[in-house]
Amino acid sequence: AQSVAQPEDQVNVAEGNPLTVKCTYSVSGNPYLFWYVQYPNRGLQFLLKYITGDNLVKGSYGFEAEFNKSQTSFHLKKPSALVSDSALYFCAVRDPLLGDKLIFGTGTRLQVFP
Amino acid sequence: NAGVTQTPKFRVLKTGQSMTLLCAQDMNHEYMYWYRQDPGMGLRLIHYSVGEGTTAKGEVPDGYNVSRLKKQNFLLGLESAAPSQTSVYFCASIGEGLGEQYFGPGTRLTVT
Repeated sequence: AQSVAQPEDQVNVAEGNPLTVKCTYSVSGNPYLFWYVQYPNRGLQFLLKYITGDNLVKGSYGFEAEFNKSQTSFHLKKPSALVSDSALYFCAVRDPLLGDKLIFGTGTRLQVFP
Repeated sequence: NAGVTQTPKFRVLKTGQSMTLLCAQDMNHEYMYWYRQDPGMGLRLIHYSVGEGTTAKGEVPDGYNVSRLKKQNFLLGLESAAPSQTSVYFCASIGEGLGEQYFGPGTRLTVT
């Protein structure tokens, strides 16, 4: 069965510092991986996805993610954090056997301090 | 192009009452989904549909029913609400292929 894990409930980082939000996955077959962000009282917004190709995927708002097959990881990164990046971040994997549904991690709350 | 919309945005029900949540999308997407979001549990799939007239169960379908009579609409029904159904409900849709899911703004439901 497909699954993702986000080992950190919360990540704290100072504005201007690099940030990493961790995600590991377990899939059978090719992994189709996604990152979404949720701001307070809002729906989820798509950030980026990995389907195939380059291991470094660039997305919205300056975010990128590194796909590492040997470590089964898909960590979200940003070189310089902004206070406005504070939000809830979800990693997800697509399950092609179940209507292409997304299986979500439990989420990581990112707090960027000024 | 409104994307994915959900009505209502908020609702308070008493135990045993029924209600229907409406999801609409104007992107001509084939696949639609209903998720619930609970603290510390991420999003869990309730039901989904791969096309007009089709529905299927997700991870947590008990206590919910759905219908997809029109391609653009996906309805989620609670026949007899229970406090355990207090949650935030999100609808999502996707076209064919390997694109991303588009999410609605959510419905916050409280069952007392």
